[in-house]
Amino acid sequence: DTGVSQNPRHKITKRGQNVTFRCDPISEHNRLYWYRQTLGQGPEFLTYFQNEAQLEKSRLLSDRFSAERPKGSFSTLEIQRTEQGDSAMYLCASSLSHIEAFFGQGTRLTVV
Amino acid sequence: QKEVEQDPGPLSVPEGAIVSLNCTYSNSAFQYFMWYRQYSRKGPELLMYTYSSGNKEDGRFTAQVDKSSKYISLFIRDSQPSDSATYLCAMSEIQGSYIPTFGRGTSLIVHP
Repeated sequence: DTGVSQNPRHKITKRGQNVTFRCDPISEHNRLYWYRQTLGQGPEFLTYFQNEAQLEKSRLLSDRFSAERPKGSFSTLEIQRTEQGDSAMYLCASSLSHIEAFFGQGTRLTVV
Repeated sequence: QKEVEQDPGPLSVPEGAIVSLNCTYSNSAFQYFMWYRQYSRKGPELLMYTYSSGNKEDGRFTAQVDKSSKYISLFIRDSQPSDSATYLCAMSEIQGSYIPTFGRGTSLIVHP
């Protein structure tokens, strides 16, 4: 399968715990995005990488969130000290151009 | 007010109907306009995109952009039950990082 892969697909964690998600983009895609989506809402931008450089980060993003993309390949999104409001679907997308972004299946996070 | 507004629906139509989905936006710098389809518990997939104003047709789907009114539309002809999904509009500027901004999506139900 050559699509965008996200792991895990589901994560249940207790409030206050740290979680980390992984995204493997389509090979050779230099652009990588993280979005968050809650029920009944569209994807909300979190952060953007071009190769290994994090070029954009949402002003709404709490400092509990951090993302990396070492060597411009896979990316990780970490949430520290999770809160119930962090419960959402976390989507990763990659692209070669600024138009056609390919999304993964997402990681569904539930904070209890 | 959000940059991109989209009626969440649901929109329920009989099979074979022509469906019209719409978005309005406030950022006049948006130049790329995209439509994504999202099935339940899946990531969004790109259906079509247009640059600036005008129409674009792809099979049963037609995308229209009216920049003077800041209004975009997606028409689906001969709708099928398999078209039942959430349709998300997305837009990006032509400068900077071109990060797509999404609407909240419209839920479409096509019943046999």
